[in-house]
Formats: sequence, C-alpha cells, structure tokens
Amino acid sequence: GENVEQHPSTLSVQEGDSAVIKCTYSDSASNYFPWYKQELGKRPQLIIDIRSNVGEKKDQRIAVTLNKTAKHFSLHITETQPEDSAVYFCAASRGTGFQKLVFGTGTRLLVSP
Amino acid sequence: DTEVTQTPKHLVMGMTNKKSLKCEQHMGHRAMYWYKQKAKKPPELMFVYSYEKLSINESVPSRFSPECPNSSLLNLHLHALQPEDSALYLCASSRLTGSYEQYFGPGTRLTVT
Repeated sequence: GENVEQHPSTLSVQEGDSAVIKCTYSDSASNYFPWYKQELGKRPQLIIDIRSNVGEKKDQRIAVTLNKTAKHFSLHITETQPEDSAVYFCAASRGTGFQKLVFGTGTRLLVSP
Repeated sequence: DTEVTQTPKHLVMGMTNKKSLKCEQHMGHRAMYWYKQKAKKPPELMFVYSYEKLSINESVPSRFSPECPNSSLLNLHLHALQPEDSALYLCASSRLTGSYEQYFGPGTRLTVT
C-alpha cells in the first residue's frame, strides 16, 4: 500500500521567512496530493491540493510543487505569519471517486514574531 | 453550508458501555469517512462510505460498527471499547466527482475508562 514520509517533523522560522515542508510517496499510481493544516484542538483544513497532471499550484502565499518522477511533493509558505503556526499534514491517494488518503506524519510549524 | 458537524464533542465511556458518534453534512456529498487520530499523529482512515454503501473497512475491530442511514448522516456505534481506543474521531465528507477535497468535522474526543 501507499506510504508517505514527511520532513521535517518540526520547523521553527521567524516571521516573514519562508517555510518548506517535503513529502515523498511510494505508490506511483497516486494522483491526488492535498495539504492540511491542523491547529491545536481543531479539525484538519485543506489549504491546497494538487493533482498529478499539474507540476505546481499557487494560492497567494502558499504553493505546492509535485515531481512525479521522484515521487515527492513540497509545500512552500512565503512571508510566514504567527497565525501560520500549526501542524501541517501532507497526504496522497489514487483513483477517482472517494479518496483513500494516506497521511504523512506531520510537521509542526512554529512562526515566531 | 460547507460544514460537517459531529456530536458529541466529548465522550467518556466505560469498557462495557455502548455509545454512538454522529456525523452530519448537508453539502450533498456522497462519500463519507471515519478517521481516528491519536495525539501528535496523523488521521488514520477507518471506514469509507460511497453512496451509503460501505466501500472500505481498514481492518477495524468489530467493536466499532459504522452505519450510514442516509446520504447526510454517518454514525459510528461503539461497544466494549478498550482504553487504547481513546482518541479523536473525525468524520469527513467529499464529492465523488470533480473536487476531491475532504471536509472534516470538528471531531469527537473519546476517552475510554
């Protein structure tokens, strides 16, 4: 089955810096890669996702890049703000219809003012 | 309405009790999911319903019994749980065509004593 590895497990940055979180996946048939943000005590919320027919996607300060050949994808956050502090999970799934998401282990991002 | 609701928010039960968790969405999504999340870990998929039919059971012990009575409701019946079943139980829903985004509910914090 699918296995998703995520690094780093913790990331501390200063406000205004950029943050990069990386994930690798094992199943070459995976075709959907979402990123979720989970604040303490809250539900996971989708912040950006990408499908395998796209190499990069951007939404304001957040971008995701996908390298299908290497089977890795990355989340880039620019101009970080204290409210970006949370745990970020990458995930991967395959097929169409319902998505059997396999999550990475999570990255705790701390943005210091 | 783009929200998934879950009740109760918190539940404490003994190992001999029977209880149920409830999840509801009114977004017209025809896929619904149960996840289990332990502290500082990613969500782990338990069950997937597609068109109100059980599509995936990730080898979950029979003391967890899911039910999807209609397209808006998802229940998780609990019986004879163990202390290690204490966790945050998250419900999610998604479309089956177009967007793959899974919308998560706030979760039920379950403690088994």
